[in-house]
Amino acid sequence: ETGVTQSPTHLIKTRGQQVTLRCSSQSGHNTVSWYQQALGQGPQFIFQYYREEENGRGNFPPRFSGLQFPNYSSELNVNALELDDSALYLCASTDYGRGTYEQYFGPGTRLTVT
Amino acid sequence: GIQVEQSPPDLILQEGANSTLRCNFSDSVNNLQWFHQNPWGQLINLFYIPSGTKQNGRLSATTVATERYSLLYISSSQTTDSGVYFCAVRATGFQKLVFGTGTRLLVSP
Repeated sequence: ETGVTQSPTHLIKTRGQQVTLRCSSQSGHNTVSWYQQALGQGPQFIFQYYREEENGRGNFPPRFSGLQFPNYSSELNVNALELDDSALYLCASTDYGRGTYEQYFGPGTRLTVT
Repeated sequence: GIQVEQSPPDLILQEGANSTLRCNFSDSVNNLQWFHQNPWGQLINLFYIPSGTKQNGRLSATTVATERYSLLYISSSQTTDSGVYFCAVRATGFQKLVFGTGTRLLVSP
């Protein structure tokens, strides 16, 4: 196991609702990234947080937002859910200061939007 | 942006066989990782290998950064090796990992 935890494991929401997913980074890691993985595809980068600030964002609309807390844990918030938001959401952590940037992934949250 | 291609897309092996998975990328990178995604969705780190060769048990990997490709070797495959193998790279100057489309491996007894 990587030491990265995510909650909840599974979630079912209705179109138009809002959802919050949570991630705890591996001990000693100060950077958290979020990825969306649709069925049959590779993970797609949503954004990254370093020291509580967003420092990189992929091609996702503003209704995808996040937070990082002083203990380096993070939240992903998605507003106005759409059917296409159904996916596995993966959180990854790394120690941005070590120079290797090897990322370690959590088990994911599977979101279903009906 | 950087493009990552993996081949073959699908691979079916008998237990005990060897295989080679390939990852091609279109630009210089300073991070390359190989992952195994199990049926429950967990991405398991196999190698962090921006260049050179590494071995871990029955698995080994080689990255030739100057020629922009990486290879993952699986020897004496086991049914537990089944799953999807992803190559992911981080291009110089960017934060994100860009994943390939994956190789789906099925090892039958």
